[in-house]
Amino acid sequence: EADIYQTPRYLVIGTGKKITLECSQTMGHDKMYWYQQDPGMELHLIHYSYGVNSTEKGDLSSESTVSRIRTEHFPLTLESARPSHTSQYLCASGFDRDTEAFFGQGTRLTVV
Amino acid sequence: GNSVTQMEGPVTLSEEAFLTINCTYTATGYPSLFWYVQYPGEGLQLLLKATKADDKGSNKGFEATYRKETTSFHLEKGSVQVSDSAVYFCALRGSPRHTGNQFYFGTGTSLTVIP
Repeated sequence: EADIYQTPRYLVIGTGKKITLECSQTMGHDKMYWYQQDPGMELHLIHYSYGVNSTEKGDLSSESTVSRIRTEHFPLTLESARPSHTSQYLCASGFDRDTEAFFGQGTRLTVV
Repeated sequence: GNSVTQMEGPVTLSEEAFLTINCTYTATGYPSLFWYVQYPGEGLQLLLKATKADDKGSNKGFEATYRKETTSFHLEKGSVQVSDSAVYFCALRGSPRHTGNQFYFGTGTSLTVIP
């Protein structure tokens, strides 16, 4: 059982609100990732981090931002939510080299 | 560059039927290969993996063999059950010297098993 947690699991929020999606892992993983999953199931990498104070944008452009102040914590923030941000957001983490990524259960965000 | 091409779904099978989900990849260097499964409303769970050519990953009756000559990692199961209904993702992780060790996912294949 992987020890990676996302909160909240579900969130419905109004347009223009600021939101933060939380992701924490207790496995000491150096690498962490945020994926956006569209209704067609495809996963798109939007942010990743190699370690503390390291963050990079992924393949899919996103208006969200991330921070990595502590190894175990990788929150994602939307300053002003819009309906186009409605999606499932999956957080993952892993060690370097050859090993799998572990996924959280996801946050399903709906912006109305 | 790295990419994964996965058999499109949805796939519908009767219980106890044989399952194959095709996956081919393009990669620089020597990637690791994975199959993940996603049940409704959940995140992805690792199903099996293989880290070098000719390795066979297996778990819960599922198998996949890392074929470097055909750049494939097809998922198979001899007899599916209703509980196998889920979305399956093929993925690769680039080698550290190439592409920064990132993960690349296929588009997912939805499987429904009917009694």
